[in-house]
Amino acid sequence: KAGVTQTPRYLIKTRGQQVTLSCSPISGHRSVSWYQQTPGQGLQFLFEYFSETQRNKGNFPGRFSGRQFSNSRSEMNVSTLELGDSALYLCASSSWGSLRYNEQFFGPGTRLTVL
Amino acid sequence: EDQVTQSPEALRLQEGESSSLNCSYTVSGLRGLFWYRQDPGKGPEFLFTLYSAGEEKEKERLKATLTKKESFLHITAPKPEDSATYLCAVQGTQGGSEKLVFGKGTKLTVNP
Repeated sequence: KAGVTQTPRYLIKTRGQQVTLSCSPISGHRSVSWYQQTPGQGLQFLFEYFSETQRNKGNFPGRFSGRQFSNSRSEMNVSTLELGDSALYLCASSSWGSLRYNEQFFGPGTRLTVL
Repeated sequence: EDQVTQSPEALRLQEGESSSLNCSYTVSGLRGLFWYRQDPGKGPEFLFTLYSAGEEKEKERLKATLTKKESFLHITAPKPEDSATYLCAVQGTQGGSEKLVFGKGTKLTVNP
């Protein structure tokens, strides 16, 4: 069974630009979450989608947005990039629907560098 | 607000030297406590989920335990390939969300 895939794996952008990251969950998984990982803050929750609906959102500015498509694939967008947005962006998927089977499996991440 | 604190921040062991990593947490209703392993430049790799105090799970040289306030990841006779950052996360019961709150991790180095 294929794991979570994220594209692209690496991105270099300049301040003020915008970026779109993509995530394809494990086949059959309908829940997708996004996290930002930096050396100083660790892993921080960005948002979560289930059946094309945003179910929860973390404490990030409105420049960070996302969406989920009918095939469960998800994208996140960051507009007006700032230097502090440089991070590893991780996507995780889970088979939401059973209280016990809620393990989240992570993709390899997209390394974003803002210059 | 849910919080997770991991200790120590870094741990160096000799091959075969057993030890434990600690994860202290506060959460308004625990749905699950998760352990992940992360290698440099990669995404976290799922290890265990623990759901209630007293629960234990094992996988090869790793054993995770859970109490009402903390979890331990015991590493028995570690090998150099166990070197990685180990992350602990909690998932609360509020709002039906799958949000994970992570600790900063423990960076484990096992020397041959």
